[in-house]
Amino acid sequence: QVLLVQSGAEVKKPGASVKVSCKASGYTFTGYHLHWLRQAPGQGLEWMGWIIPNSGITNFAQKFQGRVTVTRDTSINTAYMELTGLTSVDTAVYYCARSTGGYYYFDSWGQGTVITVSS
Amino acid sequence: EVVMTQSPATLSVSPGERATLSCWASQTVYSNLAWYQQKFGQAPRLLFYGASARATGIPARFSGSGSGTNFTLTISSLQSEDLAVYFCQQYNNWPYTFGQGTKLDIK
Repeated sequence: QVLLVQSGAEVKKPGASVKVSCKASGYTFTGYHLHWLRQAPGQGLEWMGWIIPNSGITNFAQKFQGRVTVTRDTSINTAYMELTGLTSVDTAVYYCARSTGGYYYFDSWGQGTVITVSS
Repeated sequence: EVVMTQSPATLSVSPGERATLSCWASQTVYSNLAWYQQKFGQAPRLLFYGASARATGIPARFSGSGSGTNFTLTISSLQSEDLAVYFCQQYNNWPYTFGQGTKLDIK
């Protein structure tokens, strides 16, 4: 079955960076877009961006451009999301999720990674 | 960006009764609308895409409808395991946006 397994929770200080990994299994990693989303405590979901694992092409929501980098290693079916310049508003659960074909709804999700930004 | 609005914010329904959740888009998204269920402490789970196409493994008591700007998620006979927050998401326009969610309580 499709499985997306993310790295563990992290606590970061303001101004720091964080890198979250997402390891895919159960499907052809290079055949699907891989997205990153986040959910602040008690809030809704916010789409951050995607990567096409086959080419490495990325696309980000405007509010994250310049502050987020997404990469992938196809040899180990893993994508990475790095967010820089962390502030308290970046405290959230970060999810990776897969979309199918040219339609950007999310049919499989990682378990989520809690990122806490605190001094 | 397309703003998605859900109502009500909280809905309390007795087991066996019908639950109706609404989602509106600030501009047409045609049928490019998905619904998700998120139980406490879990990742979201896809319920519907294309407004009304049921995802794999979703029980038949769940149904999705609508197009354009108005969408509805209906649970025909509520079960205790349906306690969750439900989100709608449009994927017609970049960036892809979500509603704030409807929390479904079991009476």
